[in-house]
Amino acid sequence: AQSVTQLDSQVPVFEEAPVELRCNYSSSVSVYLFWYVQYPNQGLQLLLKYLSGSTLVKGINGFEAEFNKSQTSFHLRKPSVHISDTAEYFCAVSESNTGNQFYFGTGTSLTVIP
Amino acid sequence: DGGITQSPKYLFRKEGQNVTLSCEQNLNHDAMYWYRQDPGQGLRLIYYSQIVNDFQKGDIAEGYSVSREKKESFPLTVTSAQKNPTAFYLCASHGETANQPQHFGDGTRLSIL
Repeated sequence: AQSVTQLDSQVPVFEEAPVELRCNYSSSVSVYLFWYVQYPNQGLQLLLKYLSGSTLVKGINGFEAEFNKSQTSFHLRKPSVHISDTAEYFCAVSESNTGNQFYFGTGTSLTVIP
Repeated sequence: DGGITQSPKYLFRKEGQNVTLSCEQNLNHDAMYWYRQDPGQGLRLIYYSQIVNDFQKGDIAEGYSVSREKKESFPLTVTSAQKNPTAFYLCASHGETANQPQHFGDGTRLSIL
């Protein structure tokens, strides 16, 4: 079965500094990759997704992620964070051959420090 | 706008009581899911349904029950058998193909009185 690892459970970063949130998945089969953001007491919102094509995908709020098939990674980056980026971030994977099964990482809590 | 509506936002349960969390979607999605979220543990799958009148247990189904009588609705009942129900519950739905993202509601926070 697929597993998704988010290597950092908490990431503090100063305002206007760059940030990278790491995500690795286990399976080498064809996958689709997603990053979600969750603000306190809210549901998950889609930030961006990789389906095929260019390995660098851009999402909302200035975030981007790079798909690396050889390293089975899909790290999320932002060149300059704002206070409003403080939230929980989840990486998710679905496999092309298992229909609707989604696998989520355990989340990374990003705290932006003024 | 299409989306998922969960209600209520906050819910309190007494000992020995069953409570039902509502989830309604107007996205015309076949698949629907219930997740439980505890601090530091990410999302854990409780039940999912890929079609009306059919559903499957997820990783932590004990103490929970669901029904799927209509495509739009997937209510979750937290029974008295669930001894630690305090958590944030999220409902999600999904389109036909694996390359579509899951869509989430805003969640229900359940607490014990």
